[in-house]
Amino acid sequence: QKEVEQNSGPLSVPEGAIASLNCTYSDRGSQSFFWYRQYSGKSPELIMFIYSNGDKEDGRFTAQLNKASQYVSLLIRDSQPSDSATYLCAVTGYSTLTFGKGTMLLVSP
Amino acid sequence: DTGVSQNPRHKITKRGQNVTFRCDPISEHNRLYWYRQTLGQGPEFLTYFQNEAQLEKSRLLSDRFSAERPKGSFSTLEIQRTEQGDSAMYLCASSLGDKETQYFGPGTRLLVL
Repeated sequence: QKEVEQNSGPLSVPEGAIASLNCTYSDRGSQSFFWYRQYSGKSPELIMFIYSNGDKEDGRFTAQLNKASQYVSLLIRDSQPSDSATYLCAVTGYSTLTFGKGTMLLVSP
Repeated sequence: DTGVSQNPRHKITKRGQNVTFRCDPISEHNRLYWYRQTLGQGPEFLTYFQNEAQLEKSRLLSDRFSAERPKGSFSTLEIQRTEQGDSAMYLCASSLGDKETQYFGPGTRLLVL
């Protein structure tokens, strides 16, 4: 059974700090990796995707993938209170997404 | 608005009633997915379509659940004889094809009393 593990948090960081969110997955056949942000009561919103080992940067966000360790992370630089949300890690092999339970991030002003 | 849309946004029903939800994907997307999310959990896959063909169904999709995508455009998800355990957010997503990014609609929140 495919599993995606995330620390449920909450992860609390002060405004302006770097938030580091981590995710591990069980299926070595996983090919694509996604980070979604979900505000309370809302649907998931795509932040980033990554397919290859290494880092991928987009603005304040950096996704990191290490397939050998089956590990993917998301760094948020210069965290803002508006970044406070649940961050969902999702992986896919060929079609469907398997999600973790999400990590709640709280950014305090 | 060219995103994924879902209707209704909220549904309250009594146990034993049937409910139907609709999803309209992004227009050029040929894949459509249904997920269910309960409080404190990530979305769980239910089923997906490529055009009008239903290609995969999760074990979560009991025989009380049925989904259709008759013309390869919008999709409906019907739950028959609802149970309190069916209370959840039902999410629809669409993608351009295999392995492509899935974009989610706003969801339909179901409460079964």
